[in-house]
Amino acid sequence: EDQVTQSPEALRLQEGESSSLNCSYTVSGLRGLFWYRQDPGKGPEFLFTLYSAGEEKEKERLKATLTKKESFLHITAPKPEDSATYLCAVQALSQGNLIFGKGTKLSVKP
Amino acid sequence: EPEVTQTPSHQVTQMGQEVILRCVPISNHLYFYWYRQILGQKVEFLVSFYNNEISEKSEIFDDQFSVERPDGSNFTLKIRSTKLEDSAMYFCASSPSSGRGTGELFFGEGSRLTVL
Repeated sequence: EDQVTQSPEALRLQEGESSSLNCSYTVSGLRGLFWYRQDPGKGPEFLFTLYSAGEEKEKERLKATLTKKESFLHITAPKPEDSATYLCAVQALSQGNLIFGKGTKLSVKP
Repeated sequence: EPEVTQTPSHQVTQMGQEVILRCVPISNHLYFYWYRQILGQKVEFLVSFYNNEISEKSEIFDDQFSVERPDGSNFTLKIRSTKLEDSAMYFCASSPSSGRGTGELFFGEGSRLTVL
């Protein structure tokens, strides 16, 4: 069964304190792995797509990496406005829908 | 910036009643989706829609659910006879791309459905 597990469930950081979020996945043929950001009461907002092991994408303080079994979202020198829930999702070759993890709720304190 | 809009933002209904949730996808997008998120749980896929027909649906999307694109702009989700367990945030999403790009979705802000 295709599934996505994210850890930790919650992460509290001080402003400027870098860290990483983990997304482990099992899928019968990976078409793509996606990172989304979700603010409270809002819909997910697309951040990155990764297609193959070794690939990296960057956007401001965020960098996403991919291996054959997991993906990391690295946050460098986070700011309070980075506080949100970060969702990981996979898309299998055989299907078009996304399978989401439960997310990591990130809180960045000033 | 173009966005996906959903109405209503919140609907309260009695068990057994019919509910219609409405969405206006981004105008040049071709692929449309409904996902839902029960409070504290994962975002779950319900259905995808392309070229005026359902292209994929999940086990959740049973005979109580239906989707329609009644005109060139709206995309609706109907729940025929709501149950308590249908209480959730329902997200509409759209995508311009096929193949590899179909995971890059633009989500609306959601419609919160509360079934009493």
